[in-house]
Amino acid sequence: NAGVMQNPRHLVRRRGQEARLRCSPMKGHSHVYWYRQLPEEGLKFMVYLQKENIIDESGMPKERFSAEFPKEGPSILRIQQVVRGDSAAYFCASSAKNEQYFGPGTRLTVT
Amino acid sequence: DAKTTQPTSMDCAEGRAANLPCNHSTISGNEYVYWYRQIHSQGPQYIIHGLKNNETNEMASLIITEDRKSSTLILPHATLRDTAVYYCTTDSTGANSKLTFGKGITLSVRP
Repeated sequence: NAGVMQNPRHLVRRRGQEARLRCSPMKGHSHVYWYRQLPEEGLKFMVYLQKENIIDESGMPKERFSAEFPKEGPSILRIQQVVRGDSAAYFCASSAKNEQYFGPGTRLTVT
Repeated sequence: DAKTTQPTSMDCAEGRAANLPCNHSTISGNEYVYWYRQIHSQGPQYIIHGLKNNETNEMASLIITEDRKSSTLILPHATLRDTAVYYCTTDSTGANSKLTFGKGITLSVRP
């Protein structure tokens, strides 16, 4: 049973470009969470999704960030017009019941 | 969710028990205590969770005080691979909810 998969593992974007981060949850998991970790910081919740629904996006910045979890395919975290402050590790987690299982993360570097 | 406080760091000798404390004095009756850890730059890994009874699994034991205002994660025989940042957090739903991570406690296991 494969774990949570994220790709790409490393992503470099220039300021103003778009970043798309993908997350495939564990088999049988219908809940997906996205977290961001800035250097030397703890993880901060961004958004919680179920299939085709955003359940809680209270941690998402109001502009440039969006997330989806379509009926088919992976969950996508999209960052438009990236800025240097978006450089961070982005982790996805999935769950079926109690505990969340995290992916290896995508490290975004904005140059 | 209740705010948690943890020491910044601690160390222990390989083979000895590591006791990691966490304070959650504002925890409410329906909030679970969760522990995760993050090894180097990997995705966080679930360890254990509990409500009021002590819990044990193959990784660790969780001791929750009777008033539930604090807890201790016990790694009974620490190994070098247990060196990581350990996060204590609470969750009011017990299932499928966003997690809030502070800076955690850095455990260093020395040979």
